[in-house]
Amino acid sequence: NAGVTQTPKFQVLKTGQSMTLQCAQDMNHNSMYWYRQDPGMGLRLIYYSASEGTTDKGEVPNGYNVSRLNKREFSLRLESAAPSQTSVYFCASREGLGIYNEQFFGPGTRLTVL
Amino acid sequence: AQTVTQSQPEMSVQEAETVTLSCTYDTSENNYYLFWYKQPPSRQMILVIRQEAYKQQNATENRFSVNFQKAAKSFSLKISDSQLGDTAMYFCAFMKPTDSWGKLQFGAGTQVVVTP
Repeated sequence: NAGVTQTPKFQVLKTGQSMTLQCAQDMNHNSMYWYRQDPGMGLRLIYYSASEGTTDKGEVPNGYNVSRLNKREFSLRLESAAPSQTSVYFCASREGLGIYNEQFFGPGTRLTVL
Repeated sequence: AQTVTQSQPEMSVQEAETVTLSCTYDTSENNYYLFWYKQPPSRQMILVIRQEAYKQQNATENRFSVNFQKAAKSFSLKISDSQLGDTAMYFCAFMKPTDSWGKLQFGAGTQVVVTP
């Protein structure tokens, strides 16, 4: 099992460019999440997908869109990147609802917007 | 809204010694869940320990234990017999039971450095 995989690991963009961060999990989990991590702020939830076919906004959704392509894959799109979106992005997945289910995280994508 | 505060940006400890990380939170909920996550230099987030607020007994996982003080809204993590592999950023996180789809509120983190 690879767990949660993310591509790319690193990316540099210019302001205004667009890109999609890819996430896939092989654990047959229902729920998937996108977080961003900024220095001194911990992780903040951008979007989540409780199950295939559904997506909802988290704490900081502005400037992002997501697609739950199928049960395995959950992508995050930046339509017009801004320097404020420079961050480390983490994808996570979870078996389903219920507090006992642990979230498993991917290795992260470090994004720099110039 | 809940807030999670970790007041120690960085802590240093020698191998085999004990270190305690503090976490306080603010909530009006009576029942909730608390977690400690570890993020080593590899950036991989790993769940260390979890605590349910309705349980009086403090959770333990091998060398990791918590001191949960519900009235004080405090949830500290103790790492005993520290090892070099414990060097990591540690995050405290809070979850309401109504957020059963898994919304975690994270603190800013504490960097732990274990020295030989």
